[in-house]
Amino acid sequence: GESVGLHLPTLSVQEGDNSIINCAYSNSASDYFIWYKQESGKGPQFIIDIRSNMDKRQGQRVTVLLNKTVKHLSLQIAATQPGDSAVYFCAVGSGAGSYQLTFGKGTKLSVIP
Amino acid sequence: NAGVTQTPKFRVLKTGQSMTLLCAQDMNHEYMYWYRQDPGMGLRLIHYSVGEGTTAKGEVPDGYNVSRLKKQNFLLGLESAAPSQTSVYFCASNLRPWNTEAFFGQGTRLTVV
Repeated sequence: GESVGLHLPTLSVQEGDNSIINCAYSNSASDYFIWYKQESGKGPQFIIDIRSNMDKRQGQRVTVLLNKTVKHLSLQIAATQPGDSAVYFCAVGSGAGSYQLTFGKGTKLSVIP
Repeated sequence: NAGVTQTPKFRVLKTGQSMTLLCAQDMNHEYMYWYRQDPGMGLRLIHYSVGEGTTAKGEVPDGYNVSRLKKQNFLLGLESAAPSQTSVYFCASNLRPWNTEAFFGQGTRLTVV
């Protein structure tokens, strides 16, 4: 089965700096990767996703990088703001009829004003 | 547009009691999911449904039952609650698997004493 790790429990960054949150997965057949943001007391919120046929995808202030060779993905947040403080999860899935996503344990990002 | 609504938000049960968690979505989504989230762990899939009248087991189905009698509702039942089922439960829905817009509810915090 799939395992998702490389879990850094907490990350503190200065407001305005860039943040990088990392995730590793074990199954080379995984083909879909999602980053979620979870604020305290709320459900996870979709940030950005990437498929295995890509190695980079950009959104608004966020970039996801995928390195299939070493089974690693990262979420980069540019110019981190206090509103970015939350727990960030990566989730990994594979196609072929599977509906299961395997979630990482999450990284708590704290932004220092 | 309410999105995904979970009822109740909080509940305390005694060991052996039963209860049902309700998830309702108003986005006409086919796929619905129940996850549990425990401290320091990622979300784990309990059960899911790919359409009205269908349900399937996820990663941690033991002790839970589900029903999807109406497309917009997905019910999670605990027949005989155990302290190990103390957790935060999240419902999610999406239009199709791995759709970028998978929506989560706000969560139900359940404590079994």
